[in-house]
Amino acid sequence: GAGVSQSPSNKVTEKGKDVELRCDPISGHTALYWYRQRLGQGLEFLIYFQGNSAPDKSGLPSDRFSAERTGESVSTLTIQRTQQEDSAVYLCASSFVRESPLHFGNGTRLTVT
Amino acid sequence: TQLLEQSPQFLSIQEGENLTVYCNSSSVFSSLQWYRQEPGEGPVLLVTVVTGGEVKKLKRLTFQFGDARKDSSLHITAAQPGDTGLYLCAGRMNTGNQFYFGTGTSLTVIP
Repeated sequence: GAGVSQSPSNKVTEKGKDVELRCDPISGHTALYWYRQRLGQGLEFLIYFQGNSAPDKSGLPSDRFSAERTGESVSTLTIQRTQQEDSAVYLCASSFVRESPLHFGNGTRLTVT
Repeated sequence: TQLLEQSPQFLSIQEGENLTVYCNSSSVFSSLQWYRQEPGEGPVLLVTVVTGGEVKKLKRLTFQFGDARKDSSLHITAAQPGDTGLYLCAGRMNTGNQFYFGTGTSLTVIP
């Protein structure tokens, strides 16, 4: 596809369940980011992937959060034992290289009940 | 910790008016970007500025990067309803991998 694709677009889950969010970056983009956007707040950095290098996990808020990326393709963000404070829009972005502008997907709106 | 503070947080103006949004920090950035985000969508890049004092124009939008590369402003001339959205500034430092995003300015232009 032409842009960054995220799925699902919406996810409602019960507290304590695990969720998996998917991101398909733009083909050829080596860098991939996950950000979290809470209602009325700015974007909060979660994790960064660059090619085959070790990911920068410095933004992950707890050990319940993890992410994987296979090479320069699809990435998945997993949240285990979800809590209500995890409710937010999770945005994925990719860029050609680290210094290039970000191209965002439309996000996954996660609601934990 | 919020490195980039934007003001105002909310702005509602009439069509045809001018406005300025500010993005301020005590940190130095190697580059700064402005994005616009509409409901249900991801942010879309408007501009990137990299040189202190740089001014870029995009139709009715004028972007300026501060001389010390710590702040930026976005000026919109003769605002139109299509300008409505959430405006976000984002800075990148020489070290580290992330873009630091501002708190956002929600703009509503009333026809």
